[in-house]
Amino acid sequence: GAGVSQTPSNKVTEKGKYVELRCDPISGHTALYWYRQSLGQGPEFLIYFQGTGAADDSGLPNDRFFAVRPEGSVSTLKIQRTERGDSAVYLCASSFGGEQFFGPGTRLTVL
Amino acid sequence: AQSVTQPDIHITVSEGASLELRCNYSYGATPYLFWYVQSPGQGLQLLLKYFSGDTLVQGIKGFEAEFKRSQSSFNLRKPSVHWSDAAEYFCAVGARGGTSYGKLTFGQGTILTVHP
Repeated sequence: GAGVSQTPSNKVTEKGKYVELRCDPISGHTALYWYRQSLGQGPEFLIYFQGTGAADDSGLPNDRFFAVRPEGSVSTLKIQRTERGDSAVYLCASSFGGEQFFGPGTRLTVL
Repeated sequence: AQSVTQPDIHITVSEGASLELRCNYSYGATPYLFWYVQSPGQGLQLLLKYFSGDTLVQGIKGFEAEFKRSQSSFNLRKPSVHWSDAAEYFCAVGARGGTSYGKLTFGQGTILTVHP
């Protein structure tokens, strides 16, 4: 069956621009997670959805970052006024109460 | 707050040799523990997990890990390494409950190089 998919796989943008990153979880998975992996580091938690609501957004670094999951399936991570420090791989994972299945990530480069 | 330490940033072993990757965690109760592997350009793949019960857990690709509560450790082992095991390995601790249920905290990772 299909795994977690993320689009785009690569995104290059200029400082100050707005970007959206999309995550399609495994069908039926109620939980969805976003992580950010900077070069040479392990993934860092950003936000966790249970259904449509954000159960824990404590990992979002500041108010430029926002995520939605309006129908409890696809999620979009939105970053306003991007900064060079936002450059990283953004990972999405989904689960149904147990193991988290990760997508391949979106590599964001802010020039 | 939960945290994970992987003391070894880079390990090199010869093919066929045994392997142990170290992981120490900090968590207020009995944690969920995981080992993931990440190959270049690939997503994270779960090798094994500990939720409860037997403290020695078996995973895919011949890996195993042992949960030692007294040492707050969850070291990953493999008796004989294959060249295809070269990758980066991440230990992670997961929240058991509350609003952060399932949230994973990862270590910095250990890069494994395998010499022929």
